[in-house]
Amino acid sequence: GENVEQHPSTLSVQEGDSAVIKCTYSDSASNYFPWYKQELGKGPQLIIDIRSNVGEKKDQRIAVTLNKTAKHFSLHITETQPEDSAVYFCAASTYGGSQGNLIFGKGTKLSVKP
Amino acid sequence: EPEVTQTPSHQVTQMGQEVILRCVPISNHLYFYWYRQILGQKVEFLVSFYNNEISEKSEIFDDQFSVERPDGSNFTLKIRSTKLEDSAMYFCASSKQVLGTEAFFGQGTRLTVV
Repeated sequence: GENVEQHPSTLSVQEGDSAVIKCTYSDSASNYFPWYKQELGKGPQLIIDIRSNVGEKKDQRIAVTLNKTAKHFSLHITETQPEDSAVYFCAASTYGGSQGNLIFGKGTKLSVKP
Repeated sequence: EPEVTQTPSHQVTQMGQEVILRCVPISNHLYFYWYRQILGQKVEFLVSFYNNEISEKSEIFDDQFSVERPDGSNFTLKIRSTKLEDSAMYFCASSKQVLGTEAFFGQGTRLTVV
């Protein structure tokens, strides 16, 4: 089955700097890659996603890149702010038909220092 | 904004007891999921549910677990004869279509088995 590895496990940056979180996946059939942000005491919230027919997607300060050949995808946050501090999870899924479930990475705890 | 709601937020139960975790998915969503997150570990898929039946389940989802949609709004996870290792945060999620579209997560139920 699918296995998703995520690095780093913790990341500390100064406010205004960029943060990059990387994930690799094992199943070449995976075609949907969402990123979730989890704040303390809350459930995961989708912040951006990318499908395998796209190499890059951007939404304001957040961008995701996908390299299907190498089976890795990355989250880029620019101009980080203290409110970006949270745990970020990458996930992979094979969607289509009636089935589909997310395989999550272990998470990255991002701390943005003011 | 519509959201997935879960009750209770925290449940403490004695080992061997049965617990029911409740979820109200977003009203026009058709796919429902349960995930769990043991403290400090990754979010793990348990089960997906569509058209009143289980569409996919993980190895974790053994005979101890069951899901039900008893009416048009609730989606429940029952754990029979709870074990200490069942202690975790349990997340319900729903999506309008099969994964590949956004899955919305609830805030979670923290289950503590003592």
